Amino acid sequence: DAGVIQSPRHEVTEMGQEVTLRCKPISGHDYLFWYRQTMMRGLELLIYFNNNVPIDDSGMPEDRFSAKMPNASFSTLKIQPSEPRDSAVYFCASRFGGGGEKLFFGSGTQLSVL
Amino acid sequence: KQEVTQIPAALSVPEGENLVLNCSFTDSAIYNLQWFRQDPGKGLTSLLLIQSSQREQTSGRLNASLDKSSGRSTLYIAASQPGDSATYLCAPTNSGYALNFGKGTSLLVTP
Repeated sequence: DAGVIQSPRHEVTEMGQEVTLRCKPISGHDYLFWYRQTMMRGLELLIYFNNNVPIDDSGMPEDRFSAKMPNASFSTLKIQPSEPRDSAVYFCASRFGGGGEKLFFGSGTQLSVL
Repeated sequence: KQEVTQIPAALSVPEGENLVLNCSFTDSAIYNLQWFRQDPGKGLTSLLLIQSSQREQTSGRLNASLDKSSGRSTLYIAASQPGDSATYLCAPTNSGYALNFGKGTSLLVTP
């Protein structure tokens, strides 16, 4: 399997623009997580899905952030409008089953909002 | 909310040394705990997963222990090598199956 695939690897945009990050989980995995990593705050959970259904979005910082999972093989994280404080590395991760299995991460999207 | 602390924040050792990385967490009601490695500019790779009923897990030169009641885990690296240089993060899994991460220990192994 190719692992968790994220695109783009890097995104540079201007404040106020819409940004869409994409993730393809490992085939057969039924849990998908979106994390954000910054030097100051470390890794923060934004939202996670089980069988394409959002389970906990309490980590989504504000209404400018939204995430969808239209099917088992694709998820998006959208920021509209983007702000400089959104600059971070965004990771997608997937896992099979409940809490007893390892979590697999994608390579991340480095987002810079100017 | 689960709070995870990793000590030390950074560590530099000469090649060949054995070393211990520490992780503490505030909520002992966990399902398991994972240790991850992160190389610069890369994603995280799961190294070891310890179930809540286990005391330790081993993989090659790595050994992770878990004391759930005291909220502590350690990662032991034997005979360290320059290739072990990376950031190591621990993450307990609580109810709802989401992982909570510490900020990691940045390890540098010098030749």
